[in-house]
Amino acid sequence: KAGVTQTPRYLIKTRGQQVTLSCSPISGHRSVSWYQQTPGQGLQFLFEYFSETQRNKGNFPGRFSGRQFSNSRSEMNVSTLELGDSALYLCASSLATGTGSYEQYFGPGTRLTVT
Amino acid sequence: AQSVTQLGSHVSVSEGALVLLRCNYSSSVPPYLFWYVQYPNQGLQLLLKYTTGATLVKGINGFEAEFKKSETSFHLTKPSAHMSDAAEYFCAVSEYSGNTPLVFGKGTRLSVIA
Repeated sequence: KAGVTQTPRYLIKTRGQQVTLSCSPISGHRSVSWYQQTPGQGLQFLFEYFSETQRNKGNFPGRFSGRQFSNSRSEMNVSTLELGDSALYLCASSLATGTGSYEQYFGPGTRLTVT
Repeated sequence: AQSVTQLGSHVSVSEGALVLLRCNYSSSVPPYLFWYVQYPNQGLQLLLKYTTGATLVKGINGFEAEFKKSETSFHLTKPSAHMSDAAEYFCAVSEYSGNTPLVFGKGTRLSVIA
């Protein structure tokens, strides 16, 4: 079974631009979560989507948004990029059936550099 | 609110020596606990998890962790370190009662010396 895939793997953008990152979960997984990883703040939760609905949201400004499609693929968008948005963005998928098992599988991440 | 504290941002051990990475958590409800490993330029790989039942959890690559509720700890151990164990290790917690996000510790970088 294929793992979580993220595209692109590397991205360089300029301040003020916007960016869209893509994530394809493991087949059959309906939950997709996004995390930001930086040296200073570590791993921080952005949001989670389940069956095309945002189910949880972290403490990030409104410039960060996401969506999920009917095939469970997810995208996240960051508008008006700032230098501090430079980070590794990780996507994780999970069965998240609500029965209590919450094992998340992570993709390789997208390394975003804002100049 | 949940939180995770990993003691020691960097741990260095000799090849063949015991690996001990410390994790303490704070949670107002019964937790799920996880250890993940991250190799350079890669995502996170699940090493092991604790949900309910046996408090000693065995994971991949010879790692294990013990859930101690009284100490609110979930330390990761491996009897004999291998060079390939050099990586960043993250402890994480989520609420047992539902599908809540993972809260991660700051991570511990493990170096293995030949």
